[in-house]
Amino acid sequence: DAEITQSPRHKITETGRQVTLACHQTWNHNNMFWYRQDLGHGLRLIHYSYGVQDTNKGEVSDGYSVSRSNTEDLPLTLESAASSQTSVYFCASSESSAGGPADTQYFGPGTRLTVL
Amino acid sequence: AQSVTQLDSQVPVFEEAPVELRCNYSSSVSVYLFWYVQYPNQGLQLLLKYLSGSTLVESINGFEAEFNKSQTSFHLRKPSVHISDTAEYFCAVTSSGGYQKVTFGTGTKLQVIP
Repeated sequence: DAEITQSPRHKITETGRQVTLACHQTWNHNNMFWYRQDLGHGLRLIHYSYGVQDTNKGEVSDGYSVSRSNTEDLPLTLESAASSQTSVYFCASSESSAGGPADTQYFGPGTRLTVL
Repeated sequence: AQSVTQLDSQVPVFEEAPVELRCNYSSSVSVYLFWYVQYPNQGLQLLLKYLSGSTLVESINGFEAEFNKSQTSFHLRKPSVHISDTAEYFCAVTSSGGYQKVTFGTGTKLQVIP
């Protein structure tokens, strides 16, 4: 069955370190998204991609970067981790070309990141 | 710009009782509306969505939601809840005619009490 996986599931790191969270989907979806989930804020969009070599900033992109070199993967990098980036991170994907607004998004299981 | 408001952060309800989870949205253009459910330690999964047509949409596990354009609402209801419905529920909106940038509400935790 097609799926979307994230690794690691849990990560503890120190302030200032570079961290990369992996996201891999086997749906062959064009669109991929990274969100962070924080109490009282729901899910907020960090970055998104509508295809290979395409990346776009979301509403909370400062301190994060992504790259899309193939259809299946969208790794999220924290350039210099800060305590404010302690959160649960979710990757998602959807099918339509150019990110159709009616699409269902399929979510990974999440990565819990703690920055000390 | 679009936004979603879920006023209730937590809703406790006894098993087999009815429940309504409230969602209001704002947008200057036509919208698509979604309810996602998040079970403990899992990612979100789609519960139901409204795209067009009938304003009442249903899920396979007994939930329903009604799109009310005049009140800009998309409340989620179930006539009789089960323990297995304990989860967090997120309302979400996208605007038609553009790329898929989903705005999520802050979530409502439904706690079903035996």
